[in-house]
Amino acid sequence: SAVISQKPSRDICQRGTSLTIQCQVDSQVTMMFWYRQQPGQSLTLIATANQGSEATYESGFVIDKFPISRPNLTFSTLTVSNMSPEDSSIYLCSVGDGYEQYFGPGTRLTVT
Amino acid sequence: GQQLNQSPQSMFIQEGEDVSMNCTSSSIFNTWLWYKQEPGEGPVLLIALYKAGELTSNGRLTAQFGITRKDSFLNISASIPSDVGIYFCAGVPSSNTGKLIFGQGTTLQVKP
Repeated sequence: SAVISQKPSRDICQRGTSLTIQCQVDSQVTMMFWYRQQPGQSLTLIATANQGSEATYESGFVIDKFPISRPNLTFSTLTVSNMSPEDSSIYLCSVGDGYEQYFGPGTRLTVT
Repeated sequence: GQQLNQSPQSMFIQEGEDVSMNCTSSSIFNTWLWYKQEPGEGPVLLIALYKAGELTSNGRLTAQFGITRKDSFLNISASIPSDVGIYFCAGVPSSNTGKLIFGQGTTLQVKP
């Protein structure tokens, strides 16, 4: 399986600011995804990052709040914009072929 | 929306005991996956199932894809302290290929 890294691994941010999370894969992959895991909860899909086109967002998530870039087949970014304490979560990227998915280590975000 | 009901929510067992957890849905799934997440890490794929009735093992772990395609279970035999973590089921619904739906997780604690 692909090796996936995320930066930063954790951050503490003030409300109203934005944070960009990077996801790097060691091989080219077709599909990349971004998930949110709120404290003590399961994983919820935010969006599918499409290479060369706009991301596809799930219900309840919008581009203005979570802009995503996918400039090539090995890299993607997720920005959490205008943060509030409710955005405190683990943000995970994953890669897969639509069936098996492999996850990065996650970015632990705390908003104060 | 589609949901996966995972049970039990948590388990506290003695080292050496066997563990069983399951996941059910009202919808048909094409793929069932089982993940383990340890503190500070992303979920790690343990077992993937693709056919109704399929029984697959990975060391002390055994998982099955239910005949009805609406459920799956995971067994861990002879548990050891390093089995501690949160186990998530995930499935690819037949109506929405490519997107994973996650269960709520089973937290496993093992007493040495």
